[in-house]
Formats: sequence, structure tokens, C-alpha cells
Amino acid sequence: AQSVTQLDSQVPVFEEAPVELRCNYSSSVSVYLFWYVQYPNQGLQLLLKYLSGSTLVKGINGFEAEFNKSQTSFHLRKPSVHISDTAEYFCAVSLTGANNLFFGTGTRLTVIP
Amino acid sequence: SAVISQKPSRDICQRGTSLTIQCQVDSQVTMMFWYRQQPGQSLTLIATANQGSEATYESGFVIDKFPISRPNLTFSTLTVSNMSPEDSSIYLCSVYRAVGTEAFFGQGTRLTVV
Repeated sequence: AQSVTQLDSQVPVFEEAPVELRCNYSSSVSVYLFWYVQYPNQGLQLLLKYLSGSTLVKGINGFEAEFNKSQTSFHLRKPSVHISDTAEYFCAVSLTGANNLFFGTGTRLTVIP
Repeated sequence: SAVISQKPSRDICQRGTSLTIQCQVDSQVTMMFWYRQQPGQSLTLIATANQGSEATYESGFVIDKFPISRPNLTFSTLTVSNMSPEDSSIYLCSVYRAVGTEAFFGQGTRLTVV
């Protein structure tokens, strides 16, 4: 079975500081990996995804993530955050060849002015 | 991309009643998915809705409680039946264009049962 662990439920960070949101997954088969963002009172929006190829994936709004197969991790990073990045971030996996998404519990990023 | 409209965006309902949530997509899709996001928790898949066949429910979810309709390739409904306060959640519909691509989500329906 697949599972996704987001170790940090809340991450406060000062504006313009770097941030890393951690995501670890477990699966006995190949997976696709995703990061979604949910702004207050809005639906989920895709930040970035890893399907294959380069392990460093760049997404929207200056975010990037690195797939580390040996550590089964897919941490999300941004070198300098803005107030507008305040949101809930979800890591998700799906089996290759399937559509079901398994979500982590989410990390609430709060950017402090 | 896909544009998904969900209605209603929010509702407050009395326990014991039912609420039907609508999901409209701007183009045809084979599969639509319904998720639940309980307060402070992550998203959990309720069921997969295919056009022309019965929905496939995940463990812990049953058709009597969450009946789903999928009359065509752009529309689906999820009904939350005989509601209790434990059903208070955000319900989201989702679609894919193709396997391995991103999922698109509606804005969700925030349901409060009193």
C-alpha cells in the first residue's frame, strides 16, 4: 500500500527566508509524485510533479522539489518566500499507470512579514 | 487544463437531511473522482465515477451514504445522505486528462452539519 508522510504540520517562516517542506512516501512500486497548494477558501492547484527523468523538478511560483529514490523523499523548496505563499501544501503520490492520488496530511506554511 | 465548477460552494445543513453536490467540467473526461477533506486533515478518496457504470467506492465509503451519479462525460453529482455532524467536511471533485498527468480540482464544497 502507498502512504505519504508530511512530518511538519505547520511551518512558520519569515518573508524572504528559504523554506523546505518535507515529504516522504512508501510504496513497493513506482510512483508519480506531486505537490499541490491550497490557498484559503480555494481548491487545490498543482505546484509541480515528478513523473520520470530529472530528479530536480521546477514548478510554479519559484518552487522546486527533488526526488530522492533512496530516501523515498520528495521535499519541496523555495529559496525566498513571499507573503502570498501562505497556504496549505499537500504532497501526493499515485501509482504509475493509475489515477488515484494518495495525499499527505498537509503542511500549513505561514509567511511572517 | 480543466475548469471545474462545483455547486454549492458551501452549505449548512440539518442532521438527517441530504445534500447533493454538483461537479461540472468544461470538457469530456473519462473518470471523475470525489474526495473528502475533514477539518484539519488531508484528502481522502471517496469514490471514482465512470460514465456509464456504477461508481467504485474506497474502503470505508458506501453507496447508500454517498450515492454518485455520472450521467455524461462532463458532469457528476455526489449526495451526502442522512447527514450527521461527522460529515462536516470539504468535498472536492477532481478529474484527470490522462494517466500520470496532473489532477484538476474543483474549489470544493464546504459542508457544515448542525
